[in-house]
Amino acid sequence: TQLLEQSPQFLSIQEGENLTVYCNSSSVFSSLQWYRQEPGEGPVLLVTVVTGGEVKKLKRLTFQFGDARKDSSLHITAAQPGDTGLYLCAGRNMLTFGGGTRLMVKP
Amino acid sequence: ETGVTQTPRHLVMGMTNKKSLKCEQHLGHNAMYWYKQSAKKPLELMFVYNFKEQTENNSVPSRFSPECPNSSHLFLHLHTLQPEDSALYLCASSQDRSADQKLFFGSGTQLSVL
Repeated sequence: TQLLEQSPQFLSIQEGENLTVYCNSSSVFSSLQWYRQEPGEGPVLLVTVVTGGEVKKLKRLTFQFGDARKDSSLHITAAQPGDTGLYLCAGRNMLTFGGGTRLMVKP
Repeated sequence: ETGVTQTPRHLVMGMTNKKSLKCEQHLGHNAMYWYKQSAKKPLELMFVYNFKEQTENNSVPSRFSPECPNSSHLFLHLHTLQPEDSALYLCASSQDRSADQKLFFGSGTQLSVL
């Protein structure tokens, strides 16, 4: 059983569109992290969310941690081809990763 | 450049071979990790070392043998692997194992077992 479920698994959109990807669990997490992985490279940390209901912004990326600390979302505004990659959420102090959302942004 | 270097980048080995993967971090971190990333499964934690002591072994088969001689170096010794062990093996480090640490990953070793 996967502790962290990410959806959708794949997403292909045009440049300029908005999108939201999700990381869900039936378990409560003390914190969640989001990483982005580009082809041929390891994941790179984007953000850590710690407090239930917390919202963090990183330029065009908005991260939210659910009030009950069981889920998180990542919203990208006006997506660009440079946003292409595999988005991973992680919990339990980096011991558990979700299956990822593979995003492709077409010019 | 993340400060975590893995070698080799690619490795092809037969099922009877013995090989080793190497990871080196130049960040002064005290915790190091091995993860396995295959096409059909989420990123899986294999081993964690904190201050050179193994703190996590995620039920990894004994054909994978980790070694952490010091806080900067981590090895994964491979022997009699199976084709299903083909995957991207990622090394990572963090300051230590306290909460909410940032993981720094290497670029991985793409392993193919024939």
